[in-house]
Amino acid sequence: NAGVTQTPKFRVLKTGQSMTLLCAQDMNHEYMYWYRQDPGMGLRLIHYSVGEGTTAKGEVPDGYNVSRLKKQNFLLGLESAAPSQTSVYFCASSYSSTEAFFGQGTRLTVV
Amino acid sequence: AQKVTQAQTEISVVEKEDVTLDCVYETRDTTYYLFWYKQPPSGELVFLIRRNSFDEQNEISGRYSWNFQKSTSSFNFTITASQVVDSAVYFCALRSGGSYIPTFGRGTSLIVHP
Repeated sequence: NAGVTQTPKFRVLKTGQSMTLLCAQDMNHEYMYWYRQDPGMGLRLIHYSVGEGTTAKGEVPDGYNVSRLKKQNFLLGLESAAPSQTSVYFCASSYSSTEAFFGQGTRLTVV
Repeated sequence: AQKVTQAQTEISVVEKEDVTLDCVYETRDTTYYLFWYKQPPSGELVFLIRRNSFDEQNEISGRYSWNFQKSTSSFNFTITASQVVDSAVYFCALRSGGSYIPTFGRGTSLIVHP
């Protein structure tokens, strides 16, 4: 089992560019999440999904959009990247009451 | 609303010392789940343990032990005879019964010196 796979692992963007981060899970989990991790701030929820075709805003959603067209995939989009979006992004998935399984992370730098 | 507080930002110990990482949580739900994760320098997040609100039994797994106390809303994590490989950031997390979302504390960075 691959678990949760994120692509890409690293990316450098120029301010104003757009990109999409892909998260794929093979555990048939209903719930999927996108977090960002910044020094001293822990993990902050950007958006989440409770099932195929559904998405909802988390704690820090501004500047990001998401889509969950298929149960196994959860995409995170940056329409116009800003330096404040430099961060490490983690995708996770879970069942309703179990622990979340995390991808390996994407390190994004916006210059 | 749910909240997790890890008051210790960084702990530094010498190998073989015991160390306890504190976690205090807040929730209005009577059913909830608590978790600990480890993030080693390589960056991945590794699940360590889950505890349900209706199970207050402490747990021991090798050098790791967890003390869950509902009376103080705490779920503390102790490493006995710490090793250099225990150096990592440790996160405590909470998911309330009525929420889809795990909320994480800000993490405690543990540095174990040889």
